[in-house]
Amino acid sequence: AQSVTQLDSQVPVFEEAPVELRCNYSSSVSVYLFWYVQYPNQGLQLLLKYLSGSTLVKGINGFEAEFNKSQTSFHLRKPSVHISDTAEYFCAVSDLGPLAGGGNKLTFGTGTQLKVEL
Amino acid sequence: DAGVTQSPTHLIKTRGQQVTLRCSPKSGHDTVSWYQQALGQGPQFIFQYYEEEERQRGNFPDRFSGHQFPNYSSELNVNALLLGDSALYLCASSQDRGRWYEQYFGPGTRLTVT
Repeated sequence: AQSVTQLDSQVPVFEEAPVELRCNYSSSVSVYLFWYVQYPNQGLQLLLKYLSGSTLVKGINGFEAEFNKSQTSFHLRKPSVHISDTAEYFCAVSDLGPLAGGGNKLTFGTGTQLKVEL
Repeated sequence: DAGVTQSPTHLIKTRGQQVTLRCSPKSGHDTVSWYQQALGQGPQFIFQYYEEEERQRGNFPDRFSGHQFPNYSSELNVNALLLGDSALYLCASSQDRGRWYEQYFGPGTRLTVT
């Protein structure tokens, strides 16, 4: 079984400051990892993904994340946040997909509320 | 190109009633997944449909059922509603081949059970 832990339920940060949102996962097999963002009253939008290859992945809106297999982590970072980054952020792991004989069910963490203040 | 659409946007039902939620996938997508997001929680996987059949199912009771139509759209049905079924229901679509790992989410249906 797969699981995702987001240790921080809320992260307050001042505008233009750097931020890191933490994510740890547990899985008995290789995984694919994702970060999604959810703005108020909206669905989820994919920020970035790790499938294979380089452990540092870049996404939209200036976000990046680093996959660390030994620490089973996939932390999200942004060097300088903006007020518009205020949202809920979800880390997720996926099954290996249809090519591996399965589906692509996502298992999500409980989310981290990023609040950017002036 | 329309993304994933869901209807209705909001719904209020009484305990014991039945509800049907609808989802139209993004153009070119053939796989539909449903998630339940309770207040303050992350989305939880309900089930996934591909080729009009349920391919994967999460830990949800049989009161939750679904259907996929030949045009790839999907319905989620919940019978005998409980107060605990109040949540945001999200539909996500993807391709079974190609970029299968990219799931596009709709805006959700907010279900309130009183």
